[in-house]
Order: sequence, then structure tokens, then C-alpha cells
Amino acid sequence: EPEVTQTPSHQVTQMGQEVILRCVPISNHLYFYWYRQILGQKVEFLVSFYNNEISEKSEIFDDQFSVERPDGSNFTLKIRSTKLEDSAMYFCATGPGSTDTQYFGPGTRLTVL
Amino acid sequence: KQEVTQIPAALSVPEGENLVLNCSFTDSAIYNLQWFRQDPGKGLTSLLLIQSSQREQTSGRLNASLDKSSGRSTLYIAASQPGDSATYLCAVRPRGNNRLAFGKGNQVVVIP
Repeated sequence: EPEVTQTPSHQVTQMGQEVILRCVPISNHLYFYWYRQILGQKVEFLVSFYNNEISEKSEIFDDQFSVERPDGSNFTLKIRSTKLEDSAMYFCATGPGSTDTQYFGPGTRLTVL
Repeated sequence: KQEVTQIPAALSVPEGENLVLNCSFTDSAIYNLQWFRQDPGKGLTSLLLIQSSQREQTSGRLNASLDKSSGRSTLYIAASQPGDSATYLCAVRPRGNNRLAFGKGNQVVVIP
């Protein structure tokens, strides 16, 4: 069964450094999402992406964040200057249609020191 | 803003008992509702998706109901097994949005 994959599984970085989290969506899916989950808290929506542009973003997704599909297959989340409060599990999700099931990847655990 | 609440936050049941997990949401204008399973430190596994026009969905031992007008969904797991131990998350897709709004989860332990 096709799966969403994410790399790396764990990223440790120093405050102020840039990080790029990578996702490989399920091949025929058109809608892509990033969510995050701070330890002990709810899963929170960050951004949705369709047709090579952001279709929706939350108030969390400020100028420090960006997304792109650099090669038509990978879907990346970049955090330009990480803060301690960016430490969380980041999940990529994809879906075939806008109201269909969202399939989540295993997540990248980001630790900012 | 859509708020999703899950009760109880945690529960333990002996193996073989049926599980009943509750989810409530504040705005009934939704496209669909999705139930996920999350194991510790792991990703989210989709269990069931109920569209707003549906009343329930079933998959094996799992059954999820949706009462949109009252803002409630219930996940039933029949004849629980130790392997069902996990956190179960409810998420709604509000109308006019791409995002899922999540509850905090029901943490379940099934005791052998």
C-alpha cells in the first residue's frame, strides 16, 4: 500500500539555524499539507498546498516558514531561523482530493537547542 | 473557530470489552470527520472517514457514527485487544477550509 514518507525522522538543530523537512507524497495525490504537534498538545494545521501554490495557511505559518515542491515529487517545509518553540513533531499529509482522506507520514521530530 | 473536544482523555479497559470514544465539535458546518490512531512517537494512521452526509462508517471491529447537528461523533471498537492500545484522534474538516481541526485524543490502554 502506498505511503507518505518523511525525512529525516529526527533533526536536531541550534536555534537560529535553517532546517528543511522533506516529504514524498503518495504518487497520485494532488493536495499536500503540513501539520505539527508540540509534545502533549493537539495536532495543529500549518499549511496546505495545491497546484504549486499555498491554498491555505494558519497563523502559525509566518514568514519564517515556506513550502515548495522543488522537483515535482518531494514536498518540503523550510524553517528559516529556528526558535526553541519550533521543537515539535512535523507531519506531512497528502490527499487525492480536497475533501478526501488525508494520509499522514510518520513525522519528523525537530529538536531546537 | 472550530473547537474539537474528546472525552475521556484516557481510559483503561480489560481485554474483550467494547470501547466507546467520544468526540464533539462546536461548528456543525463540516465537510467530513476523520478518526486516526496514533502510537507513541509515531505518525497518524487513518481509521475511518465520515462525510457530512453520512451517519456512520464501519471497518472490521470499528464503527464510527456522526451526528452533525449535535456536533458529535462516536468511535466504537468491538471486543478490544491489547493491540488496540493507542491514542485515538478525531479531526473535522470545516466547510470552506482545507485544514483538519484535531482533538487532543483519547488515550486507550487495553489490559490483557
